Amino acid sequence: KAGVTQTPRYLIKTRGQQVTLSCSPISGHRSVSWYQQTPGQGLQFLFEYFSETQRNKGNFPGRFSGRQFSNSRSEMNVSTLELGDSALYLCASMTRGRTRDTQYFGPGTRLTVL
Amino acid sequence: GESVGLHLPTLSVQEGDNSIINCAYSNSASDYFIWYKQESGKGPQFIIDIRSNMDKRQGQRVTVLLNKTVKHLSLQIAATQPGDSAVYFCAESPDNAGGTSYGKLTFGQGTILTVHP
Repeated sequence: KAGVTQTPRYLIKTRGQQVTLSCSPISGHRSVSWYQQTPGQGLQFLFEYFSETQRNKGNFPGRFSGRQFSNSRSEMNVSTLELGDSALYLCASMTRGRTRDTQYFGPGTRLTVL
Repeated sequence: GESVGLHLPTLSVQEGDNSIINCAYSNSASDYFIWYKQESGKGPQFIIDIRSNMDKRQGQRVTVLLNKTVKHLSLQIAATQPGDSAVYFCAESPDNAGGTSYGKLTFGQGTILTVHP
């Protein structure tokens, strides 16, 4: 089975711009979670989608949003980029999002905001 | 306020030694715990997991121990190899009503493991 894929792998944007990142989960997985990883804060949960619905959200401003499509693929969007948004954005998929489901991560998208 | 970078704990071992990586978790309601390995330029890779109704689980060359009394998790790697060099994260998942965590894992800060040949 193919793993979680994320595109693009690298992005460079300038402050004030917006960006869209894409994630394709493992086939059959319906839950997709997004995380931000930075040297200062570590790995932090952004939000989770299941069956096209956001079920859970972390403590991030409204500039961070996402969506999920009927094929379980997910996108996240960051508007009005700030320097502090520079990070590795990771997507993880799991079957249904139950407590004991294993999350499998993609390679991440490295976003640099100049 | 000013953000401070995480200073990750480090563990340096010789090839062939056994490694023990420790993790303290904070949420007594956490029901499921996972260890991930992250190599440079890659996403976290699942290593092993354990449920709160267990205190030990073994995999291939790895063992996870869970002590719920002191909220402590450890990962033991037997016969550590240079390919084991990476950052290791523990993660916890709460047991919300209905047994659904809604995808939220809370990660520890990570430990850098360096294996010298």
